[in-house]
Amino acid sequence: DVKVTQSSRYLVKRTGEKVFLECVQDMDHENMFWYRQDPGLGLRLIYFSYDVKMKEKGDIPEGYSVSREKKERFSLILESASTNQTSMYLCASRPPPGDLDELFFGSGTQLSVL
Amino acid sequence: AQSVTQPDIHITVSEGASLELRCNYSYGATPYLFWYVQSPGQGLQLLLKYFSGDTLVQGIKGFEAEFKRSQSSFNLRKPSVHWSDAAEYFCAVVRIQGAQKLVFGQGTRLTINP
Repeated sequence: DVKVTQSSRYLVKRTGEKVFLECVQDMDHENMFWYRQDPGLGLRLIYFSYDVKMKEKGDIPEGYSVSREKKERFSLILESASTNQTSMYLCASRPPPGDLDELFFGSGTQLSVL
Repeated sequence: AQSVTQPDIHITVSEGASLELRCNYSYGATPYLFWYVQSPGQGLQLLLKYFSGDTLVQGIKGFEAEFKRSQSSFNLRKPSVHWSDAAEYFCAVVRIQGAQKLVFGQGTRLTINP
């Protein structure tokens, strides 16, 4: 079974802190994604990566950056956390060649910024 | 731009009753459509997908969805719901602008009455 693991289930941070959210997948998938999930807004794409050291902005990249140094790991970085970044963050991966294949999701990280 | 609308934020049905969750899409050509389910505390899991061919698609857990081009809809159905179907359901469409990405609807939360 494909496993996408997010390092923390719950995280509480203070405004202005630098926050790292980690995601690891164990199926050698090339494509990885970060979404945030908010009630009434569904899932919105923050950043995605098609390969190591490659990244592209999604729909809401402001205030975020990402790092993909190894194929299995995709990190989301909040450079200076703000209260409006309190949200559920979901990581996903997708096997090649497959832009049309399903995404495999992690269980999510609920981030609270105080 | 491609988009997805789920008109119902929250639906309550009795166990054993039939279910239909609505999804409307906005897209000029043949869309690639998905339904995902998110159980409490979990990531998203693919229920079914439609790319082409037969407009009635069967998925896991007894769900099906019907693609209706004339109505721009891809509604999810189940003839008899179980208490374990209580979850949030997301409809999604692949956006074909540059890199292909999934665009999600706002989600519908399903509550099951015993």
